[in-house]
Amino acid sequence: DAKTTQPPSMDCAEGRAANLPCNHSTISGNEYVYWYRQIHSQGPQYIIHGLKNNETNEMASLIITEDRKSSTLILPHATLRDTAVYYCIVRVDWEGNKLVFGAGTILRVKS
Amino acid sequence: DTAVSQTPKYLVTQMGNDKSIKCEQNLGHDTMYWYKQDSKKFLKIMFSYNNKELIINETVPNRFSPKSPDKAHLNLHINSLELGDSAVYFCASSHRAGESGYTFGSGTRLTVV
Repeated sequence: DAKTTQPPSMDCAEGRAANLPCNHSTISGNEYVYWYRQIHSQGPQYIIHGLKNNETNEMASLIITEDRKSSTLILPHATLRDTAVYYCIVRVDWEGNKLVFGAGTILRVKS
Repeated sequence: DTAVSQTPKYLVTQMGNDKSIKCEQNLGHDTMYWYKQDSKKFLKIMFSYNNKELIINETVPNRFSPKSPDKAHLNLHINSLELGDSAVYFCASSHRAGESGYTFGSGTRLTVV
C-alpha cells in the first residue's frame, strides 16, 4: 500500500471547519483513501473513505484531488470533542491486507 | 449494544504470569483483528482471523496465541508475560476485506509489573 504524509499537528477554532491534508503521491488506481481518528484513550474510529469521487457522510467530507495524489478531510464545524489523532491510510481492499496506521495528525480544537 | 467489546478493560499482572483478553463482536463481521498500541502510541497489527482461520500473523513472539472459537469471538492469550508487553491492546472487526472500515473495541490496558 502507498505511504501517506500528514502534518504532525494542527489547531482549529471551535465552530470553524477543520481541514486535514494528506499526501499520497504514490497511490495506485485500486487503492482507497481511508480516514480514521483516535480520541484519547479510545479505540480508533472509522470516519470515511473514498476512491476517486468526493465523499460526505454525517461525520465529515473527503475531498480527493483529480490526480488522487492528495486528499483533505473536512470537519465542517469542529467541536472540542473532535480533538483527536487523525489517520490517513491508503489501502487496497482485499482479504488479508493489513490496515496500517502511521503517526497521524494531532488535531487540537480550541475554544 | 456494544459493537466490539473487550474484557477486561484493565489488567495488571506480574511478570511471568499467563493472561487472556477476550473480544466479541455483534456486527456480523467475518474478520477480526488484534492490534497493539505501545507507549509511543503507534498502532500495530498483530493477528487477523477470517471465519476462524488465521490470515495475518505478524512478527509477534509465540508467547502470544490468538484463538477464535467462532467468527464472533477472537481471544488473545499471552504466556510468560514480560515488562515489554505492557501496552493497550485493541480488538477490531470488519467485513471480509475491510472495505467498509474496521470497528474497534475500547481497548484493554495491560500493565506488567
